[in-house]
Amino acid sequence: EDKVVQSPLSLVVHEGDTVTLNCSYEVTNFRSLLWYKQEKKAPTFLFMLTSSGIEKKSGRLSSILDKKELFSILNITATQTGDSAVYLCAVNDKIIFGKGTRLHILP
Amino acid sequence: DARVTQTPRHKVTEMGQEVTMRCQPILGHNTVFWYRQTMMQGLELLAYFRNRAPLDDSGMPKDRFSAEMPDATLATLKIQPSEPRDSAVYFCASGLVRRASGSGIDTGELFFGEGSRLTVL
Repeated sequence: EDKVVQSPLSLVVHEGDTVTLNCSYEVTNFRSLLWYKQEKKAPTFLFMLTSSGIEKKSGRLSSILDKKELFSILNITATQTGDSAVYLCAVNDKIIFGKGTRLHILP
Repeated sequence: DARVTQTPRHKVTEMGQEVTMRCQPILGHNTVFWYRQTMMQGLELLAYFRNRAPLDDSGMPKDRFSAEMPDATLATLKIQPSEPRDSAVYFCASGLVRRASGSGIDTGELFFGEGSRLTVL
């Protein structure tokens, strides 16, 4: 059975800290890995990763994929209160999501 | 401003009633997904369609749930009869298939609607 596991399930840090969120997967037919951010409503797209070792960056967020070890990490540097959200990882063959990491940034 | 539109945004109903949720995908997108989100289970894939044809609905309780795409601008998710355990936020998402082989699909980015919050009393 395909599955996506995210860790930690929740995380509380202070503004300015750096955080690393983890996503491991087991799927029959891997095509890509997607990261989403969900605040109060719909998930919004952050990154899509298809190749190992190539870092994707967007401002203070970055992500990398390891297809050999079947995981990805999402890094957020110099966190801000606006980064508080649930971060979701999904793996594309059937777009299966993990349960997410709930991140709370304290001012 | 292209976006996925879902209706209703909120629905409160009594157990046993029929519930229909509707989704208008982004124009030009050929793949539509239905998800259910709860605190306990997270985002669960219920069903998805490509070019209006159902590709997989294995995540959906078949006895009470049904999903259809009567045309390219409308996807529906129906629950009949509804039960309290169906209370959740139901999301529709659309994307553009870039290639497909076997039973898998490669959609790249998925765009989500705002969700339909269902409460079954």
